[in-house]
Amino acid sequence: QVQLVQSGAEVKKPGSSVKVSCKASGDTFRNSPINWVRQAPGQGLEWIGGVLPTFSTANYAQTLQGRVTITADESTSTSYMELTSLRSDDTAVYYCAREAVALRAFDFWGQGTMVTVYS
Amino acid sequence: QSVLAQPPSASGTPGQRVAISCSGSSSSIGSSTVKWYQQLPGAAPKLLIYNNDQRPSGVPDRFSGSKSATSASLAISGLRSEDEAAYYCAAWDESLNGWVFGGGTKLTVL
Repeated sequence: QVQLVQSGAEVKKPGSSVKVSCKASGDTFRNSPINWVRQAPGQGLEWIGGVLPTFSTANYAQTLQGRVTITADESTSTSYMELTSLRSDDTAVYYCAREAVALRAFDFWGQGTMVTVYS
Repeated sequence: QSVLAQPPSASGTPGQRVAISCSGSSSSIGSSTVKWYQQLPGAAPKLLIYNNDQRPSGVPDRFSGSKSATSASLAISGLRSEDEAAYYCAAWDESLNGWVFGGGTKLTVL
């Protein structure tokens, strides 16, 4: 059974940065893309970007390009999502999710990390 | 505004059948398979349907999906109170080179 465990809640000031981690169990990490999705309070899901750990290649949503960096550390089976120049509308729950290649779908999700941006 | 369009709400009584629509474009649903996710209140999303109409192990056959051209639909038969949740469609968008979601449909079981 795959498990994704994320880091704890964060409170940040506008203009600062946040880095959220997502640790995966098992050897699923190497061959499966890890994606990040966020959900603002009372709103829908928004894809942020994803990374394929084997090649450390990432792609990002156009709306966040330039502010977001997603990385993967194979040695610790951990993915990181860093978002810079934080604004109040970045306040959201941030999820990591494993993409099952054969299914082309996100089959396992982390528990979510609440990031609050306020001054 | 979401790339994929869903009705914001749907409702039904126990035992009924409800359907939730999802409309996209030639670069999204028209070029990709559709997935559906269920999100119970306060929980992370859960994969419900992949490859337009396939159910992962453990998902009851009361849930079914279909796709036609640039639209898709999720049907839930034999509605139960525990089906009360938000439902999201998703697909890969070739133009955006990324995953896109619908705005979500909040299902209420009356």
